[in-house]
Amino acid sequence: GENVEQHPSTLSVQEGDSAVIKCTYSDSASNYFPWYKQELGKRPQLIIDIRSNVGEKKDQRIAVTLNKTAKHFSLHITETQPEDSAVYFCAASNGNTPLVFGKGTRLSVIA
Amino acid sequence: DGGITQSPKYLFRKEGQNVTLSCEQNLNHDAMYWYRQDPGQGLRLIYYSQIVNDFQKGDIAEGYSVSREKKESFPLTVTSAQKNPTAFYLCASSKNMGATNEKLFFGSGTQLSVL
Repeated sequence: GENVEQHPSTLSVQEGDSAVIKCTYSDSASNYFPWYKQELGKRPQLIIDIRSNVGEKKDQRIAVTLNKTAKHFSLHITETQPEDSAVYFCAASNGNTPLVFGKGTRLSVIA
Repeated sequence: DGGITQSPKYLFRKEGQNVTLSCEQNLNHDAMYWYRQDPGQGLRLIYYSQIVNDFQKGDIAEGYSVSREKKESFPLTVTSAQKNPTAFYLCASSKNMGATNEKLFFGSGTQLSVL
């Protein structure tokens, strides 16, 4: 089955700097890669996703890149703000089985 | 994201007791899921259901049971066979599983603790 590895487990950045979180997956048939953000005490929410037919997708300050050959994808947050502090989860799916999640990255943005 | 409701918010289980967590959605979603969240462990899949009256085991189904008698409801029972039940439980739904409708909508979670 699919296995998703996520790094780092914790990340601290200064406000205004960029943050990068990386994930690798094992199933070459996976074709959908979402990112979820979970603020303290709240439910996870989808912030961006990418499908295997594109290499990059942007939405304002966040972007996701996908390298199918290497089987890894990354989340990039630019101009970080205190409200970006949260736990971020990557996930992967081949469309036939449920999403498999990484173990999460706790991002702290220091003002 | 409204539309998916979990109850109770906090639940305590005594030794040898079965407890049931409720999950209801009014999004008309076909697929529903139960995840367990432990610190540093991410979201691990317990059970999922793609359609009424059908469900499948996830990665950590031992000690848990589910039912899907109605499209809107997917209750999770934590049985006495689950020896380490303390965790945060998240229910989720999606329009369906696969194709282009995998976006998950999560409930607000239930924190289960053992007395």
